[in-house]
Amino acid sequence: AQSVTQLDSHVSVSEGTPVLLRCNYSSSYSPSLFWYVQHPNKGLQLLLKYTSAATLVKGINGFEAEFKKSETSFHLTKPSAHMSDAAEYFCVVSEGASKIIFGSGTRLSIRP
Amino acid sequence: EPEVTQTPSHQVTQMGQEVILRCVPISNHLYFYWYRQILGQKVEFLVSFYNNEISEKSEIFDDQFSVERPDGSNFTLKIRSTKLEDSAMYFCASSEIAGASTDTQYFGPGTRLTVL
Repeated sequence: AQSVTQLDSHVSVSEGTPVLLRCNYSSSYSPSLFWYVQHPNKGLQLLLKYTSAATLVKGINGFEAEFKKSETSFHLTKPSAHMSDAAEYFCVVSEGASKIIFGSGTRLSIRP
Repeated sequence: EPEVTQTPSHQVTQMGQEVILRCVPISNHLYFYWYRQILGQKVEFLVSFYNNEISEKSEIFDDQFSVERPDGSNFTLKIRSTKLEDSAMYFCASSEIAGASTDTQYFGPGTRLTVL
């Protein structure tokens, strides 16, 4: 059975410092993995996705994530946080159209 | 940039009433989905829809739920007799390709349903 664990419910960093949002998954197959971001009162916006091509995936707004099969991880990083990055971030694993599991979300706060 | 839209943004209803949540998927997309997120809980898959029929549904999607594509643009979720526990944020999504794990789903902003 597939599952997704986002290890931190809340992460707070200072503007200009690196961001690390952690995600671990379990899957019976070779999954596709996604990160979505949700700003207040907005829909879920795709940041990036991994689909068994390059293990380091670059997304929008300077975010990237590395798929590590040995660690079953897909952590999201950004070298330098911006105030506009404050939002809720969801890690998602997919084994097919209906087999989509969301993580519980990580709220990212940015301190000035 | 094309986006998925949902109406209304917030719906308040009395327990036992029927509600219809509306979504307009991205125009060239073929696969449509509904999810819900109860406050403080994870986003949960409800149903996927392709070629005018349900493709997959979760255990949550019981007989009180139905989906329909009444015309070429709208995709609706109907809850026949709402219960208090149906209070949640409901997200619609669409994808261009037919339901592979690699598909990117594009989400709408959600409809917050409050059942009193």
